[in-house]
Amino acid sequence: DIQMTQSPSSVSASVGDRVTITCRASQDISSWLAWYQQKPGKAPKLLIYGTFSLQSGVPSRFSGSGSGTDFTLTISNLQPEDFATYYCQQANSFPRTFGQGTRLEIK
Amino acid sequence: QVQLQESGPGLVKPSETLSLTCTVSGGSINSFYWSWIRQPPGKGLEWIGYIYYSGGTNYNPSLKSRVSMSVHTSKNQFSLRLNSVTAADTAVYYCARETSTWNNIDCWGQGTLVTVSS
Repeated sequence: DIQMTQSPSSVSASVGDRVTITCRASQDISSWLAWYQQKPGKAPKLLIYGTFSLQSGVPSRFSGSGSGTDFTLTISNLQPEDFATYYCQQANSFPRTFGQGTRLEIK
Repeated sequence: QVQLQESGPGLVKPSETLSLTCTVSGGSINSFYWSWIRQPPGKGLEWIGYIYYSGGTNYNPSLKSRVSMSVHTSKNQFSLRLNSVTAADTAVYYCARETSTWNNIDCWGQGTLVTVSS
């Protein structure tokens, strides 16, 4: 299985800040990387797929980059509704695997 | 807009079989890959597997010996069975849709908590 490791596990930030979350795959997954946002008691929501592509309806302050084994999710100009847990997921091979999550908290 | 809804018992006894059904509304099941993903309380996400509308499946090897999935196209539903459950199978179970372009999961059910307890 491909292991997905996110860092940090949690981060505190303020409204208006820029935050970067990193995801590392245990082997090359090319650009087969997605990011999800999950709020308490809710299902995850797709934010970014194919490393860079913004899902329809997702604000442009979310962006993704990377390739191979190292990827980042950047959230610019943090808004109150962005405080949540974020997961990366590799879609390159089976079984699909997720990172352990990064909890974004209000400072 | 496609919506997914899980249904099934919220409590299952140890060693018995967990059975869930996902109903797809607002679109046809006749395309895409239909997935099951679970999340133990307070923990991360685990992919269980998926089934294609034609019946082809792919399961997580860690659960493969206990999992089966089926699709019911006439009802726009697909199902999950997990046998010989233990307390470690207690989780919120999500049904979801995986696209065939970038293999991303673009649509999720609200999730249903299944507790394994006697």
